[in-house]
Amino acid sequence: GQQLNQSPQSMFIQEGEDVSMNCTSSSIFNTWLWYKQDPGEGPVLLIALYKAGELTSNGRLTAQFGITRKDSFLNISASIPSDVGIYFCAGQLFNAGKSTFGDGTTLTVKP
Amino acid sequence: EAQVTQNPRYLITVTGKKLTVTCSQNMNHEYMSWYRQDPGLGLRQIYYSMNVEVTDKGDVPEGYKVSRKEKRNFPLILESPSPNQTSLYFCASSGPGEQYFGPGTRLTVT
Repeated sequence: GQQLNQSPQSMFIQEGEDVSMNCTSSSIFNTWLWYKQDPGEGPVLLIALYKAGELTSNGRLTAQFGITRKDSFLNISASIPSDVGIYFCAGQLFNAGKSTFGDGTTLTVKP
Repeated sequence: EAQVTQNPRYLITVTGKKLTVTCSQNMNHEYMSWYRQDPGLGLRQIYYSMNVEVTDKGDVPEGYKVSRKEKRNFPLILESPSPNQTSLYFCASSGPGEQYFGPGTRLTVT
């Protein structure tokens, strides 16, 4: 099946710094999704992208749907300690049922 | 309040003993899915359902069954669990522009 490469695998940053992470695929997707997972909980949907080239923000988070439809990026500005967690990207091709997830980026924010 | 519930939250069982993990959503969503999460492997989709009586395989369906007899419920069935099915399982429910995950079920098969 389709696979997503998510990078970096982990990040250690200082509070207040900006963060960038990305996902790439060898094949196209029609929808890109970004999630955050806190320890012991299920993932929470942060941003959904439905159109190539789309740039969408949710507070300090900004995500982009790559123009080739094979990649997506998530940026977090002015990080704070509660940003700590695992961030996942996911792609959907045909419908909202079938999803392929990246392996996640673990973010650590030092106060 | 939008909610996806899973039961049980924790389960320890033995090889071969059939079990069912229930999942229920209160948002009238058409799409529901099951995932397993293993260290270093992210979330892998087991099965998904697009509506009542409509289900399809995800990336790792072997050893699992599902059913969707009612819109709100999507149980995951392990007919003969094996140790390699020890994992953290999540149910998810999706509607237009939104998706919610359940709190997870940690399954250990000895």
